[in-house]
Amino acid sequence: RKEVEQDPGPFNVPEGATVAFNCTYSNSASQSFFWYRQDCRKEPKLLMSVYSSGNEDGRFTAQLNRASQYISLLIRDSKLSDSATYLCVVTGSNFGNEKLTFGTGTRLTIIP
Amino acid sequence: DADVTQTPRNRITKTGKRIMLECSQTKGHDRMYWYRQDPGLGLQLIYYSFDVKDINKGEISDGYSVSRQAQAKFSLSLESAIPNQTALYFCATSDFGDLRERAIWEQYFGPGTRLTVT
Repeated sequence: RKEVEQDPGPFNVPEGATVAFNCTYSNSASQSFFWYRQDCRKEPKLLMSVYSSGNEDGRFTAQLNRASQYISLLIRDSKLSDSATYLCVVTGSNFGNEKLTFGTGTRLTIIP
Repeated sequence: DADVTQTPRNRITKTGKRIMLECSQTKGHDRMYWYRQDPGLGLQLIYYSFDVKDINKGEISDGYSVSRQAQAKFSLSLESAIPNQTALYFCATSDFGDLRERAIWEQYFGPGTRLTVT
């Protein structure tokens, strides 16, 4: 089983719609969770951290379910500029262990 | 100006050649990383360095070596390039701080080097 698994997509979603995707992780002791965004042929950039209680940043909502070992990302009122690949990222089980494990990404295309 | 720069941005080389990819950062971060990205495989960690005197192997270090020349510079070398090292290579940095601060987990990536080994 991969350490971090994502549905590769592509998700083709009309502009203005809501879209959600999940990511599962295998290490139950993982401490920190993130969503990174990567535009085509560009470097990954941090989109948001994922906190245990769930968190929002504008149109983006991230959730963590430790019992089922998955995290989710919800995008509301999607914009054309949201088209990108979204990478789920999980850290190791020890504080100070900065090994980030990246999922392969979920590709999202917003259709006008 | 970009905080993390990589040179070259694109490179085509032949099997057996030695090649060096360079990374420089102006963020003042102690920690630097080299990743490669292949389609369908995600980012894989090659080497990382927590300071100038500290170098650690990542998941896929075979066939690669690194040099941390200064806090701001971290180079990746392919001693004898082979075609399956064709990939997109990223350098990244992160800051050292309170281990419970999430900020230390954010990694800042350079623009990438697209390497093709023929």
